[in-house]
Amino acid sequence: EPEVTQTPSHQVTQMGQEVILRCVPISNHLYFYWYRQILGQKVEFLVSFYNNEISEKSEIFDDQFSVERPDGSNFTLKIRSTKLEDSAMYFCASVSGQSYGYTFGSGTRLTVV
Amino acid sequence: GESVGLHLPTLSVQEGDNSIINCAYSNSASDYFIWYKQESGKGPQFIIDIRSNMDKRQGQRVTVLLNKTVKHLSLQIAATQPGDSAVYFCAENVGNRDDKIIFGKGTRLHILP
Repeated sequence: EPEVTQTPSHQVTQMGQEVILRCVPISNHLYFYWYRQILGQKVEFLVSFYNNEISEKSEIFDDQFSVERPDGSNFTLKIRSTKLEDSAMYFCASVSGQSYGYTFGSGTRLTVV
Repeated sequence: GESVGLHLPTLSVQEGDNSIINCAYSNSASDYFIWYKQESGKGPQFIIDIRSNMDKRQGQRVTVLLNKTVKHLSLQIAATQPGDSAVYFCAENVGNRDDKIIFGKGTRLHILP
């Protein structure tokens, strides 16, 4: 069964450093998303991306965040200057657009120290 | 506004018994609902979904019930197994297939031996 792949599975970074979280969505999917989950809390929407541009973003997705699809397969989330409160699980998801149903990756656990 | 909430944060069920996880939503415009299962250290995994033009949908050992009158959603798991232990999230989608989904807070299901 096709999968959404995320790397790394765990990243530890110092406060103020830049991090890039990587995702490889399912190959024929057209819509891509980042969600995050602070430990013990619900999954929160960050941003959606279609046709090489952001289609929607939440209040969480401020100027410190950016997304990019640098080639035909990768989808990245960059946090420019990490804060302690950015520590969370970050999930990538993709949707084909022709049917309902997201496929989520296994997530990257980001720990900011 | 958009919000999806869960009635109980933790549910303990004897192995072999049936379990029911409940969810309330507030956006009457939501037309698609999904239940996700999340095991420790993994991303949300699709279980079952239902469109607003239905009130019941069955899968393998799972049934989703939708009551639009009281904006209530439930997930029934029949003959629970140890592998059913996880956090279960309901989620809603308001618009198109590619729109963001809004997650509820999650219910942790414990299967007792």
